[in-house]
Amino acid sequence: DAGITQSPRHKVTETGTPVTLRCHQTENHRYMYWYRQDPGHGLRLIHYSYGVKDTDKGEVSDGYSVSRSKTEDFLLTLESATSSQTSVYFCAITGTSGRAGYNEQFFGPGTRLTVL
Amino acid sequence: QQPVQSPQAVILREGEDAVINCSSSKALYSVHWYRQKHGEAPVFLMILLKGGEQKGHDKISASFNEKKQQSSLYLTASQLSYSGTYFCGTEGLSGTYKYIFGTGTRLKVLA
Repeated sequence: DAGITQSPRHKVTETGTPVTLRCHQTENHRYMYWYRQDPGHGLRLIHYSYGVKDTDKGEVSDGYSVSRSKTEDFLLTLESATSSQTSVYFCAITGTSGRAGYNEQFFGPGTRLTVL
Repeated sequence: QQPVQSPQAVILREGEDAVINCSSSKALYSVHWYRQKHGEAPVFLMILLKGGEQKGHDKISASFNEKKQQSSLYLTASQLSYSGTYFCGTEGLSGTYKYIFGTGTRLKVLA
């Protein structure tokens, strides 16, 4: 258990409304990520962060913004939600496995977002 | 651009072997493999690094051909618990911890 939580776990909203998803980690890891998962597309990177206030775009960043003001929190905001943003959103961190010292990604439980 | 995985889906009987391939259009520093059960988050299986180092799972093996920018995951003597969707995650040569995932391979093991 890498100590990653996401909130909310489920959300239904209407087109045009703003939505913020929160990812919280308790392990003090530097790298945090937001992915969306859709059938046929696998996991696609939206944004990632390599430190407080340091973020970079992923493959599908249009329509999304992120903020990281503290090490433990990474927020994903949909400024004006659209139906095409209906998806399952996963937060992840990159941490070092204690067993052999290699990096692996740990994923949060996911947030299912429906935009009507 | 997402790495391409093949096959898209495979059905096995318990005890049979399978190979899942991941092909990238970019030069790679590392490849990760993950398995996701239905309704759950992906779980790390193993990492393959440029230069041949491999770390991770005890019972699943993989290869990484740097020249061809390809990786393969080998599932031998499959068990029912191997069922799920497998993803490769690739990291470019700059080693920036920015991972791009493949489209996934659905694997089902039947008794």
